[in-house]
Order: sequence, then structure tokens, then C-alpha cells
Amino acid sequence: AQTVTQSQPEMSVQEAETVTLSCTYDTSESDYYLFWYKQPPSRQMILVIRQEAYKQQNATENRFSVNFQKAAKSFSLKISDSQLGDAAMYFCAYRSATRGSQGNLIFGKGTKLSVKP
Amino acid sequence: KAGVTQTPRYLIKTRGQQVTLSCSPISGHRSVSWYQQTPGQGLQFLFEYFSETQRNKGNFPGRFSGRQFSNSRSEMNVSTLELGDSALYLCASSRDWGMSAEAFFGQGTRLTVV
Repeated sequence: AQTVTQSQPEMSVQEAETVTLSCTYDTSESDYYLFWYKQPPSRQMILVIRQEAYKQQNATENRFSVNFQKAAKSFSLKISDSQLGDAAMYFCAYRSATRGSQGNLIFGKGTKLSVKP
Repeated sequence: KAGVTQTPRYLIKTRGQQVTLSCSPISGHRSVSWYQQTPGQGLQFLFEYFSETQRNKGNFPGRFSGRQFSNSRSEMNVSTLELGDSALYLCASSRDWGMSAEAFFGQGTRLTVV
């Protein structure tokens, strides 16, 4: 069974600085997707960034980028120029891309990010 | 374009009662998934529906059930409520069923069992 681990329950960053959130996962599959979701106090899960395992190039979305290390099964999120609105719970998630497997998301426990003004 | 709508937003029930939660997916989306979020267990997959058929199911007791209607709206039902069922229930919709389909989440229903 696949598992996702986020080893940092809480992180803090100064406004305008850069922060990196860690995520590792365990799988025997070669085809899968990885995601970072943001959950602000409003509770709605918002997709931040997505990475296909077959792509070597790291995904980037504006101030958000990932460091995807397939061999190490590591998928970290870097937030540059942090803003107050980035404060939220961040969840790393895995989804199998293997035909015949369940397509549900498997989430880590989350990292609570605080942004200091 | 309206997002995923979950109703009600908050619910308080007594142990032993049953509850029904509703999810209206984004227009044009045909797949709906349900997740339970608790402080202790985190986010756990309940089930996924596509074209009115349950496609996948998580590891939850039979007290948890769901269904999907022809307009893709989905309901989940929990019978004989237990205190441990207190949680945030999140619904996600996708355009299609399949591994590559991106999931969009609603704001959830906060269920409290007393």
C-alpha cells in the first residue's frame, strides 16, 4: 500500500522569505501523480501544484515549485516570496496512475504553515 | 462557473441517529469522491462515484454509504452515528473517472456527534 509522510507538523516563515515543505512517499508503482494541496481556515482544499511521475522536469506555478526526486521518493514544495495569504495547512498527496488501481488520493498528515509579518 | 457545493456546512447529531450529506459537483463533472478528515486520522478516502456507480471504496464500515444521481449530485449517509464519526467530510468532483482527472474540493460539512 502507498503511504505519504510529512515530517514537519508545523513550519514558520517570515513574509517575503522562502520556505520548503517536505514530503516523502512509499510506493512500488512507477506511474503516479503527486500533488500539494492548501487548506486555509475556510477548509476548502485548493490544488497548489501537480507533478506527473514520468516527467523529470519539476513543476512550477508562479511562486510555488517542487523538487521531485523519484529515486528518493521525495516531493518537497518551495514557496518563494511568502505572503500572509500563504498561511494554511499544506497536504502532500499521491494518486496512482496504474491501470486498474484505485484512483483516490492518499494524503499525508499535513504541515501547518504560519507566515510572520 | 460554480464550484463544488456541499450542504449543510455544519451539522450536530446525537449518537445513534443517521445523517445525510449532499454534494453538488462542478457543472459537467461526472465523478464525485468523499473524504473524511479528522485530527487523529487525517484525510481518509470513503468512496468514489461515477455515472451513478460506486467505483472505489475505502476502508470504512458499512454504516457509511453513498449514492450518485443522474445529475451527478451525490449524497453520503452515515447510520447509527458514533462519537468517532465527528469529522469534516469533504467532497471532490472530477470531470471524469480516472487517475489523471484533477479533483476539485468543496468546503466540507462539519459533522459533530454528541
